Amino acid sequence: EVQLLESGGGLVQPGGSMRLSCAASGFNFNNYAMTWVRQAPGKGLEWVSTISGGGGETFYADSVKGRFTVSRDRSSSTQYLQMTSLTTEDTAVYFCAKEAYSDFRTGQLYTRITEWGQGTRVTVSS
Amino acid sequence: DIQMTQSPSSLSASVGDTVAITCRATQDIYMFLNWYQQRPGKAPRLLIYAAASLRSGVPSRFSGHASATGFTLTINTLQPEDFATYYCQQTYSVPPTFGQGTTVE
Repeated sequence: EVQLLESGGGLVQPGGSMRLSCAASGFNFNNYAMTWVRQAPGKGLEWVSTISGGGGETFYADSVKGRFTVSRDRSSSTQYLQMTSLTTEDTAVYFCAKEAYSDFRTGQLYTRITEWGQGTRVTVSS
Repeated sequence: DIQMTQSPSSLSASVGDTVAITCRATQDIYMFLNWYQQRPGKAPRLLIYAAASLRSGVPSRFSGHASATGFTLTINTLQPEDFATYYCQQTYSVPPTFGQGTTVE
């Protein structure tokens, strides 16, 4: 059974930093791209970032580019999202997600999110 | 960025009804379109990928269709567990944008 367990959320002040973790199990972690999607309170889904299965390619939403860094550790089957310069606009539930393929080839592969974690809440407030 | 627009934003239905949700993109995305369901307080789950392919394990009352005017998610014979919010997502280009959601209530 695929499991994605997020951790690291909580309350942080504007301008602060936070690192989210996603521990994966139940599948060969190295063979799949991993994604972060967030959902602000009462709002819809927003794609944040994706990292390829090998870790060599990363993709970011414009809203977080230059502030967030996605990474993955094959030895612990964990995905990370390092968030800096946080603003109130970053307040959301952050979902860790597993993609269908190792490569994130939009427009070439029918990529899709096949599994989701339960999410971790990040609140940016003074 | 490609913008995805869903309609309606919400709809009222009853158990046993057939409902249809549409999704349109600001440019051609071919068949690179997914549908997700999100129940209140839960994570989303994949229903349909490649516009019309039913994900394994998803009930056959869910179906997806593509046409020249856009994409449609149809739910036949609505069940109590189908009252949820539905999102389309294009994966033709980065960023893979979501529609704003349609709540079936």
